[in-house]
Amino acid sequence: AQTVTQSQPEMSVQEAETVTLSCTYDTSESDYYLFWYKQPPSRQMILVIRQEAYKQQNATENRFSVNFQKAAKSFSLKISDSQLGDAAMYFCAYRSLNNAGNMLTFGGGTRLMVKP
Amino acid sequence: EAGVAQSPRYKIIEKRQSVAFWCNPISGHATLYWYQQILGQGPKLLIQFQNNGVVDDSQLPKDRFSAERLKGVDSTLKIQPAKLEDSAVYLCASSRDFVNEKLFFGSGTQLSVL
Repeated sequence: AQTVTQSQPEMSVQEAETVTLSCTYDTSESDYYLFWYKQPPSRQMILVIRQEAYKQQNATENRFSVNFQKAAKSFSLKISDSQLGDAAMYFCAYRSLNNAGNMLTFGGGTRLMVKP
Repeated sequence: EAGVAQSPRYKIIEKRQSVAFWCNPISGHATLYWYQQILGQGPKLLIQFQNNGVVDDSQLPKDRFSAERLKGVDSTLKIQPAKLEDSAVYLCASSRDFVNEKLFFGSGTQLSVL
């Protein structure tokens, strides 16, 4: 079974600065997807960015980018020019391409605080 | 387009009582998921439907939890009887199909079992 670990329960960043959230995972599979989800106090999980394991190029979405290190099984999220609205829980998630459905395995989350 | 709708937003019950949660997915989405999120943890999949059929319910505690998706649209998740450890947020999500990896989540129901 796959596991996802987020070793930083909380992180803090000054507005307009850059912060990196860490995620490691354990799998024996070669093809899979990785995701970062944001969960604000409204509780709705919002997809931030996704990465296909077969792609060597790191995914980027505006101020959000990832550092995907497949051999090290590491998938960190970098948020540039942090904004107050970025404050939320962030979850790293793994999706196998081998199971019949679309099950996501989530990490335990990192709470990001943004200081004005 | 309208998002995933869930109700109620909050529910407080005593242990051994029954409770039901409702979810209406995005129109046209064939796949529906129920996740349980215990405080301080990431969400865990309970059950996944494709139309009105179950794809995966391997992590659903079937002695007390049940779910249905009649007519392949909205869904109900029930707990009977509830235990203290069932206190959690129950999130519903939907996707166009189970191959499409983009999930849309609702705002969840926060359950407190006293």
